[in-house]
Amino acid sequence: DAGVTQSPTHLIKTRGQHVTLRCSPISGHKSVSWYQQVLGQGPQFIFQYYEKEERGRGNFPDRFSARQFPNYSSELNVNALLLGDSALYLCASSPGGGSRYTGELFFGEGSRLTVL
Amino acid sequence: GDSVTQMEGPVTLSEEAFLTINCTYTATGYPSLFWYVQYPGEGLQLLLKATKADDKGSNKGFEATYRKETTSFHLEKGSVQVSDSAVYFCANTGGFKTIFGAGTRLFVKA
Repeated sequence: DAGVTQSPTHLIKTRGQHVTLRCSPISGHKSVSWYQQVLGQGPQFIFQYYEKEERGRGNFPDRFSARQFPNYSSELNVNALLLGDSALYLCASSPGGGSRYTGELFFGEGSRLTVL
Repeated sequence: GDSVTQMEGPVTLSEEAFLTINCTYTATGYPSLFWYVQYPGEGLQLLLKATKADDKGSNKGFEATYRKETTSFHLEKGSVQVSDSAVYFCANTGGFKTIFGAGTRLFVKA
């Protein structure tokens, strides 16, 4: 069975540009969460989407946005990129979300974003 | 707010040594607790979990017990192998999100 897939795996952008990262969850999983992992730190929560609705948002500026599609895949968008946005962006799926969230996450291998 | 604190690394051990990685948490309510592992070149994956006080999670020879009185979830293994070299993350659930510690890198020497 296919795990969580993310694209692209690596990308380089310049300050001020926009980026879109994509994620396909494990088949049957209806919840997608996005995390940012800066080198040497643990993943930081950005968003959770469940049944196509935002169920939670972390402490990130409004430049970060996301959406979930009817097939449960998801996009993370970041506008007006800053140098500090350079990180590994992780997508994780889980069977449930919102009030049914158990905390057990299945991660993709991430999209490594470098902002120059 | 909810948080997770784990011991700083790196931790370097010889093969067959005993491993302990300390983890403490703060949370409102009754979170579930997790250890995730990131092997070199691989994605983050769940190692073990415990959903209520006094539960013991175990997998691949690793164990951790949910201690509500000390708000701890320390990871232990009796005899580590070179293949256990990885970064280990303690985590708890805070409602709709999972909160991760900073990670502890483990090196096991043959």
